[in-house]
Amino acid sequence: GAVVSQHPSWVICKSGTSVKIECRSLDFQATTMFWYRQFPKQSLMLMATSNEGSKATYEQGVEKDKFLINHASLTLSTLTVTSAHPEDSSFYICSAKDRAADEKLFFGSGTQLSVL
Amino acid sequence: KNEVEQSPQNLTAQEGEFITINCSYSVGISALHWLQQHPGGGIVSLFMLSSGKKKHGRLIATINIQEKHSSLHITASHPRDSAVYICAVRFSNDMRFGAGTRLTVKP
Repeated sequence: GAVVSQHPSWVICKSGTSVKIECRSLDFQATTMFWYRQFPKQSLMLMATSNEGSKATYEQGVEKDKFLINHASLTLSTLTVTSAHPEDSSFYICSAKDRAADEKLFFGSGTQLSVL
Repeated sequence: KNEVEQSPQNLTAQEGEFITINCSYSVGISALHWLQQHPGGGIVSLFMLSSGKKKHGRLIATINIQEKHSSLHITASHPRDSAVYICAVRFSNDMRFGAGTRLTVKP
């Protein structure tokens, strides 16, 4: 089946630094990728929808200048958490929509971000 | 009020039992996903439904568009089915999630 690779799987950084998370569709083209955040014992929350070659659409309450999303190719989207703070510590997950597979979603393995 | 309501929130079953998890949503959707999240955080998309019923192994998912309701069934449950099951509905490119159902299957 289709595979979405997400890296890194975990990262620890100091407050004020920026962290980039990559999401790659390995064997299919993903015109749309989604970024989610999940706090402990809570469900997923959609942060933004990323369409290849265009600006991401952010959900209400998600700061687009803080969470920079780039989807420059059909197989790669990146999420950069800029000037990270401890409250940004969370589990970040991406998913990609395979346009050739009835729009089924495939998920990355997630990135646990801890900001000290 | 959450646009996606899932029930139950927690479910404990004995191995072999038939499991049903329900999902109701409040507005029209283009698709509904059932997701499985394991303790390590990894998520697998089990089903994507826009109508009718789908079956994969011991898992069955149904959706009733008119009633805005979907169910996920697990037959002959097994401890390895223990996970959080999440209902996700798609409105064009927006997606909303249920709170999840934490399933524990005891041997």
